[in-house]
Amino acid sequence: GENVEQHPSTLSVQEGDSAVIKCTYSDSASNYFPWYKQELGKRPQLIIDIRSNVGEKKDQRIAVTLNKTAKHFSLHITETQPEDSAVYFCAASKRAAGNKLTFGGGTRVLVKP
Amino acid sequence: DTGVSQNPRHKITKRGQNVTFRCDPISEHNRLYWYRQTLGQGPEFLTYFQNEAQLEKSRLLSDRFSAERPKGSFSTLEIQRTEQGDSAMYLCASSADIRVGSYEQYFGPGTRLTVT
Repeated sequence: GENVEQHPSTLSVQEGDSAVIKCTYSDSASNYFPWYKQELGKRPQLIIDIRSNVGEKKDQRIAVTLNKTAKHFSLHITETQPEDSAVYFCAASKRAAGNKLTFGGGTRVLVKP
Repeated sequence: DTGVSQNPRHKITKRGQNVTFRCDPISEHNRLYWYRQTLGQGPEFLTYFQNEAQLEKSRLLSDRFSAERPKGSFSTLEIQRTEQGDSAMYLCASSADIRVGSYEQYFGPGTRLTVT
């Protein structure tokens, strides 16, 4: 089955700096890659996603890049703010497997004011 | 509130008891997923439904676990003879029909189960 690795497990940045989280996946048939933000005690919240026919997608301060050849994708957060502090999860899925999500282990991001 | 809802939000039970959780998906979403999340880990897939049909069950789902979605709307997840290792957050997510190109899954707030 699919395996998703996520790095780093923790990330501390100064407010205003950029944060980058990287994920690799094992199943070359995976075609959908969402990112979720989870605050303490809250539900995972979809913040951005990318499909395999696209190399990059941007939404305000958040961007995701995908390298299908290398089987890795990354989340970029620019101009970080204290409210960006949370745990971020990457995930991968494929339509043939019912789009069930396989998650990475998560990255705890702390934005220091 | 038009989002995914789950009940109860917290459940404390003694080992050996049965528990049942409920998930109400976003209206008209025909796919419903159950995941389990333990502290410090990402959610792990348990099972999913398309309408009322249960299409896949994870190896994680032992015989003590059963899920239903009888009318293709809400779903229930039952755990029989609970064990301490069942303690976790049980998350439900729903998604529109992928045949119309929708892949996004939206999560409910979860049910936190504590087995004592």
